[in-house]
Order: sequence, then C-alpha cells, then structure tokens
Amino acid sequence: AQSVSQHNHHVILSEAASLELGCNYSYGGTVNLFWYVQYPGQHLQLLLKYFSGDPLVKGIKGFEAEFIKSKFSFNLRKPSVQWSDTAEYFCAVNFLNFGNEKLTFGTGTRLTIIP
Amino acid sequence: ETGVTQSPTHLIKTRGQQVTLRCSSQSGHNTVSWYQQALGQGPQFIFQYYREEENGRGNFPPRFSGLQFPNYSSELNVNALELDDSALYLCASSLGGRGSNTEAFFGQGTRLTVV
Repeated sequence: AQSVSQHNHHVILSEAASLELGCNYSYGGTVNLFWYVQYPGQHLQLLLKYFSGDPLVKGIKGFEAEFIKSKFSFNLRKPSVQWSDTAEYFCAVNFLNFGNEKLTFGTGTRLTIIP
Repeated sequence: ETGVTQSPTHLIKTRGQQVTLRCSSQSGHNTVSWYQQALGQGPQFIFQYYREEENGRGNFPPRFSGLQFPNYSSELNVNALELDDSALYLCASSLGGRGSNTEAFFGQGTRLTVV
C-alpha cells in the first residue's frame, strides 16, 4: 500500500535557525505533493504544492520544498524560522493512479520554535 | 478562512450511538473528502464524494457512510459508535474529483468524543 513517512516527529529550533523537514513516499508513479500546516486550534492550511515542472517549489511564509523523484522525497525547508512557525506540519501525497483526490498523509512533525 | 464549514465543532456521544457530521464545501467545488485524525496522527482518508457519488474509500468499516447533496454539501454518518472513533473529523473540498491537479481546502473539523 502507498504510504508517506515523516521521520522527524518533534523538532525544536531557536529563532533564525534553518529548518528542513523530511518527507518520503513509497510509490514510483505520478504523484501530486503537498505540505500542510496546522497551527494550534486552526484548520489545515496549504503551505505549498507540487504538480509538475520545476521541482523546487516556493510556498507561503518563506517556505520551499524540493521534489527529488529518484529519492521519492519532498522535503520542506525554510532558511530562517520564526516563533510564529510553531505548528504541526504534514506532508501529503495524491497517488494519481487511483482516479480521485485521496490524500495520504504522513504522521506529522511538531515544530517548536524557541524565542 | 477556506470557505469550508463543518458542524458541529464539538460533539460528545455514547458508545453504540449514531452520529451525523455536516460539511459545506467551498463555493464552486464539486468534490468532498472526509478524513479522520486521531490524536497525534495524520489525517486518514475515509471516503470521497464527487458529484453525489462515492469516488474512493479508505480502510473504514461500512458503519462509516456518507452522502453528498446536489449543492455539493456532504454528511458523514457513523453508526454503532466505538471508543476508538473519538477523533477530529475533517472535511475537505476541491474541484475535480478524478485525480486532477487540484488542491483540497479543509474545514476546521468536528471533534468527536465517544464515552
């Protein structure tokens, strides 16, 4: 079965540190890739998405992600984090062979930024 | 705000009871997906409705059922509630439904507690 792995369960960083969160998926076919963020008490918000084209994708709030097809990876990065980035981050994949928009999510990474 | 609204926001039910959760999709969207997010986990796909028909289902038993109305709003019904059904239930709407390059917009969720 298709799966998505996020290896970092809880990451603690100081403000201004650089961030990289890992995401790997299990399937080698055509995929759409997403990163969502969930701030405490709020709904899931889309940070960025990849459908095709340039594998380096820029999203909101200074986040970016790089799709490396050979590694089945879609890692999220930010050069300098802020206290307001404290949240839960989810990688999600739509495996396009199913003919629907089912998203398979990773287990999430809790990011805590220390002022 | 995503334009996806869910009701109620919180609900407490007794084991064995039945529950109905509601979702209004974003204007213009014809596809609704439902997810279950247990504490500390990523959302798990329950099923998707596209133009009033089920279009994909995850690994959930038949006591989880759904409906989509002509205005594309949707209901999730759960019969014979179990303690493990306690979770945040998320609704997502999108435009497409057949594995197209589209993104999902999530509601704020319904927190269901089964006692």
